[in-house]
Amino acid sequence: DAGVTQSPTHLIKTRGQQVTLRCSPISGHKSVSWYQQVLGQGPQFIFQYYEKEERGRGNFPDRFSARQFPNYSSELNVNALLLGDSALYLCASSAVHEEGREQYFGPGTRLTVT
Amino acid sequence: GDSVTQMEGPVTLSEEAFLTINCTYTATGYPSLFWYVQYPGEGLQLLLKATKADDKGSNKGFEATYRKETTSFHLEKGSVQVSDSAVYFCALGVSGSRLTFGEGTQLTVNP
Repeated sequence: DAGVTQSPTHLIKTRGQQVTLRCSPISGHKSVSWYQQVLGQGPQFIFQYYEKEERGRGNFPDRFSARQFPNYSSELNVNALLLGDSALYLCASSAVHEEGREQYFGPGTRLTVT
Repeated sequence: GDSVTQMEGPVTLSEEAFLTINCTYTATGYPSLFWYVQYPGEGLQLLLKATKADDKGSNKGFEATYRKETTSFHLEKGSVQVSDSAVYFCALGVSGSRLTFGEGTQLTVNP
């Protein structure tokens, strides 16, 4: 079975632009989470969606938004890009929305803002 | 708020040496605890987990025990290999399946 997939793999954008990142969860998984990993640091939680509803939001500005589709895939949008948004963006899926459930991570999208 | 503190790296060991990476946490309630590993250029892979006090998670020779009294979840391996070279992240889960990660510990194993 395929794992979590993300696209694109790499992306280069200019300050002020907008970007959309995509994620497909493991088949049968209904929960998708997004994390930002700045170089040399641990991942920081951005959003969590379950059954197409937002179930959690981390400490990120309103420039960050996300949604989940009926097939449980998800998009992360970032508007008005800043240099500090350069990071690896990780998507993770889990079967259900409950504490203690392991999350399975995709390979990430490397975003570079110049 | 919830937080995870890992021992500072990087850690450099010779092959077959004993490994310990310290992890302590602060959380309201009773979290689940995880160790994830990240190989160069890849996403995170779940290494092991424990969901309640005194549970021991184990996988691929790695072990960690959930110690509620010391709020710790230290990662250990008796004999490391070159292929264990990676970044190791301790994480806790409290709300839903949302995770809070530590800063990561870079491990390099030399032949």
